[in-house]
Amino acid sequence: GESVGLHLPTLSVQEGDNSIINCAYSNSASDYFIWYKQESGKGPQFIIDIRSNMDKRQGQRVTVLLNKTVKHLSLQIAATQPGDSAVYFCAEILNAGNMLTFGGGTRLMVKP
Amino acid sequence: KAGVTQTPRYLIKTRGQQVTLSCSPISGHRSVSWYQQTPGQGLQFLFEYFSETQRNKGNFPGRFSGRQFSNSRSEMNVSTLELGDSALYLCASTLAGVNTGELFFGEGSRLTVL
Repeated sequence: GESVGLHLPTLSVQEGDNSIINCAYSNSASDYFIWYKQESGKGPQFIIDIRSNMDKRQGQRVTVLLNKTVKHLSLQIAATQPGDSAVYFCAEILNAGNMLTFGGGTRLMVKP
Repeated sequence: KAGVTQTPRYLIKTRGQQVTLSCSPISGHRSVSWYQQTPGQGLQFLFEYFSETQRNKGNFPGRFSGRQFSNSRSEMNVSTLELGDSALYLCASTLAGVNTGELFFGEGSRLTVL
């Protein structure tokens, strides 16, 4: 799945550094906010989610922060590796169904 | 266990034709969703099926339709193809019930309309 490619914002980081990818969401009523990773030729892959009543959640090398006041979501990747190079999408969902609303995506490039 | 399988992976059609795409969800998953991915519009929700019933529908014209079979496999159809229908069509499956947004995506079917 070659992902959105023409006008994606790009974040370039050095291997081993921390990465922060930001996203603005639109629907205050969303129940969950999610981050997906899409590598070239593949479909999106779930990374981590956060419920709307939380402001921080940690996973393995990743942390998601939610700021509902300014409708902002961020994904922090610790010790970024070449395998982290991909396009990252934020998404939101209402629990009424399985309909995800995706953001535009950010391309992360990791320099060795 | 096997992931979400989509067929065909690549196809080329001409304007006015129709196309049918197939999706086999992960075993045990009963919800199947379809998304369209284009450079201009990004990832957009098409529809979701659960127990052979369309449960949600995105903002796409009636030329886009789908269905789900009793074994949870799903197909989507696009009739009277337009150039703008060229896209990567992604299928995703998940267990039913309260959903936190964790969908399992296939690798997609890339449709080119000439």
